[in-house]
Amino acid sequence: DQQVKQNSPSLSVQEGRISILNCDYTNSMFDYFLWYKKYPAEGPTFLISISSIKDKNEDGRFTVFLNKSAKHLSLHIVPSQPGDSAVYFCAASVLGGDMRFGAGTRLTVKP
Amino acid sequence: DTEVTQTPKHLVMGMTNKKSLKCEQHMGHRAMYWYKQKAKKPPELMFVYSYEKLSINESVPSRFSPECPNSSLLNLHLHALQPEDSALYLCASSQTEGLVVYFGPGTRLTVL
Repeated sequence: DQQVKQNSPSLSVQEGRISILNCDYTNSMFDYFLWYKKYPAEGPTFLISISSIKDKNEDGRFTVFLNKSAKHLSLHIVPSQPGDSAVYFCAASVLGGDMRFGAGTRLTVKP
Repeated sequence: DTEVTQTPKHLVMGMTNKKSLKCEQHMGHRAMYWYKQKAKKPPELMFVYSYEKLSINESVPSRFSPECPNSSLLNLHLHALQPEDSALYLCASSQTEGLVVYFGPGTRLTVL
């Protein structure tokens, strides 16, 4: 039961350009959404989150957008840097409940 | 400090061995988790301890046995594992269930 979906397994972007990673969810009860970044052989690192009462949250080069009616969220990275190359996981939860992860998108930022 | 520590970093074991994975956090978090992650897959929840009370994922085989000695420590006892159990085992914690989960670096387990 894949309640959180990342339909693009990979994305390649030129350094300095915008990276847009997308995520869709099916459970309308989710009220908290997160993005994690993972390097090989390391645990995922929390990047940014957004609660369902907001539609945008910004932290430096990273912005998360939430469209509740479409059950869609996206992560924008601008400008993209080679160090941003990693696997990005979208996650969603109901407060007090389990967190569900998407399958991940591998981002490659080319110099 | 958002650090979750795990030992060992790597573990190779035979199918008849008994071993334990250890995890520690000092953030005062009251929920701790074990996740399993295979290559190119998302983290898969195995167990949750919330306020030191265990929630079990029904699909986890009994050869995996969690233990929470106190609110800062979490162990995963392994016995009679199979080669398909080889994976990255991630410990994590959060202030409470459903909030930001902070992951440790993981233990890379290989079962021969």
